Amino acid sequence: AQTVTQSQPEMSVQEAETVTLSCTYDTSENNYYLFWYKQPPSRQMILVIRQEAYKQQNATENRFSVNFQKAAKSFSLKISDSQLGDTAMYFCAFMKGLSGNTPLVFGKGTRLSVIA
Amino acid sequence: GAGVSQSPSNKVTEKGKDVELRCDPISGHTALYWYRQSLGQGLEFLIYFQGNSAPDKSGLPSDRFSAERTGGSVSTLTIQRTQQEDSAVYLCASSLGPLLKAGANTGELFFGEGSRLTVL
Repeated sequence: AQTVTQSQPEMSVQEAETVTLSCTYDTSENNYYLFWYKQPPSRQMILVIRQEAYKQQNATENRFSVNFQKAAKSFSLKISDSQLGDTAMYFCAFMKGLSGNTPLVFGKGTRLSVIA
Repeated sequence: GAGVSQSPSNKVTEKGKDVELRCDPISGHTALYWYRQSLGQGLEFLIYFQGNSAPDKSGLPSDRFSAERTGGSVSTLTIQRTQQEDSAVYLCASSLGPLLKAGANTGELFFGEGSRLTVL
């Protein structure tokens, strides 16, 4: 079974600074997808960024980027120029296979607070 | 609708009662998921529906939990004889389903706002 570990229950960062959230996972699969989801206080989860395991290039979405280390099974999220609206719970998630026909396995989340 | 809709948003019930939680996915999405989020915990997978295939029920914690999806659209999660440990936020999500392709179906799950269940 796959597991996802987020070792930082809480983090804080000053506005405009950069913060990195860590995520490691355990799997015997070779093909899979990794995701970061954000859950603001409004409770609705939204996708932040996605990475295909077969791609070596790290995914980037505006201020959000990942550092994907497949051999180390590590998938960290970097938020640059942090904004107050980035305050939320961040969940790392794993989906095995390439068909997309399997449920996501989530970590326990990291609560990020952006301080003015 | 424009997004995944869940009802009720909040439900308070007494121990031993049955509850039904409803999820209306995004039109055209063939995949539907139920997750449970307890305080301080991540998202616990409960059940997954994909098209007309048999659902993946491997995450249901006990036989008091069941779910159905009628006509490939709306889903109902039923908890029988509720217990206090069932108190949690129940999240529903839908997606376009399999065949992840770059630039097309990204595999993104679209979540509802959840149903907060409190069992007294």
